[in-house]
Amino acid sequence: GQQLNQSPQSMFIQEGEDVSMNCTSSSIFNTWLWYKQDPGEGPVLLIALYKAGELTSNGRLTAQFGITRKDSFLNISASIPSDVGIYFCAGYTSGTYKYIFGTGTRLKVLA
Amino acid sequence: DGGITQSPKYLFRKEGQNVTLSCEQNLNHDAMYWYRQDPGQGLRLIYYSQIVNDFQKGDIAEGYSVSREKKESFPLTVTSAQKNPTAFYLCASSIEWSEQFFGPGTRLTVL
Repeated sequence: GQQLNQSPQSMFIQEGEDVSMNCTSSSIFNTWLWYKQDPGEGPVLLIALYKAGELTSNGRLTAQFGITRKDSFLNISASIPSDVGIYFCAGYTSGTYKYIFGTGTRLKVLA
Repeated sequence: DGGITQSPKYLFRKEGQNVTLSCEQNLNHDAMYWYRQDPGQGLRLIYYSQIVNDFQKGDIAEGYSVSREKKESFPLTVTSAQKNPTAFYLCASSIEWSEQFFGPGTRLTVL
């Protein structure tokens, strides 16, 4: 099945640093979603985006729906140790009922 | 509280046995999904259902079966035909083109 290209695959950062990750697709989407998954748990929805160019924040997290509708970006400001986990993007096209997921970005924060 | 429940959290199966994983949601969502996640990997779609009494195969449906007799419930049976069933299984639900929410997952181990 199709998977979205998500980068970076993993990253180590110092506590307090800002983090950026992105997701790209060869197809256009109507909806972009960003999730965080902790080990042994289900993914938790962080941000949902519905409109090209949309910029949405959730606390220290900010995500953007790319103008081309083929990409999306997630930024985490002033990272803290509990930001550790795997971040997934997902795209959705109306009428398909299927969500296409990225390969994940594994984030590790050094205190 | 609205949400998705999966049971059991951990499941052990002997080779050659069928096993059924439970998924219940009280979000009043029409669509429900089953994903498989292997260590260090992304999510792969097994089956999805847009509406009661209807479901479609995902990317890796072989060796699995589902039913959707009630809007709230979408059980997954892992049959003996699934050659490598040890994995983390995630159930999810959504409204069309909107957010998809996940349950806590079931970890299946074949002994």
